Amino acid sequence: AQSVTQLDSHVSVSEGTPVLLRCNYSSSYSPSLFWYVQHPNKGLQLLLKYTSAATLVKGINGFEAEFKKSETSFHLTKPSAHMSDAAEYFCVVSPGGGADGLTFGKGTHLIIQP
Amino acid sequence: NAGVTQTPKFQVLKTGQSMTLQCAQDMNHNSMYWYRQDPGMGLRLIYYSASEGTTDKGEVPNGYNVSRLNKREFSLRLESAAPSQTSVYFCASAGDTDTQYFGPGTRLTVL
Repeated sequence: AQSVTQLDSHVSVSEGTPVLLRCNYSSSYSPSLFWYVQHPNKGLQLLLKYTSAATLVKGINGFEAEFKKSETSFHLTKPSAHMSDAAEYFCVVSPGGGADGLTFGKGTHLIIQP
Repeated sequence: NAGVTQTPKFQVLKTGQSMTLQCAQDMNHNSMYWYRQDPGMGLRLIYYSASEGTTDKGEVPNGYNVSRLNKREFSLRLESAAPSQTSVYFCASAGDTDTQYFGPGTRLTVL
């Protein structure tokens, strides 16, 4: 069984300051981990994906995430927030290797203050 | 290359009515999925299809049926809609990896 916990339902930062969205996971397998972003009334867009090649994963729009097996964490960061980053962010785990569905966290709503 | 498309974008039903949500992908993916999204719940898997001709239940299958019509199309049917099925429905597809690509969603309201 696998599960995902996003530790903050809402995060508010000022434009130009760093962003940190926290995610812990549990999985019986060596999982694939993802971050997806959903802008208001839109579908989901893949930000980045971790398999096993490198623990620091770079994604689109300046986001990156670090896989820490010892802490079972996969936190998402960005050095400098932009107004366009305001959206809902989902941390997602997949058992990998098959066609099973993804397990989603409940989401973190990122608010950017001007 | 449209990716994953869904129809309709919006739908309002009365309790007890039936409807089918359509999904198609043009990426030649084997696997397709239906999820529902409710406030504060993330996305939950309803049904999935690992390949043409196969379907399997996900986390929340009750009240739904699916059909994998061919490799491109995967439909979701509500036989007798209930207010608890008010939600946003997303279709997704995946190829050889487990990276899923999502459609724009269908916003369904059941009165």
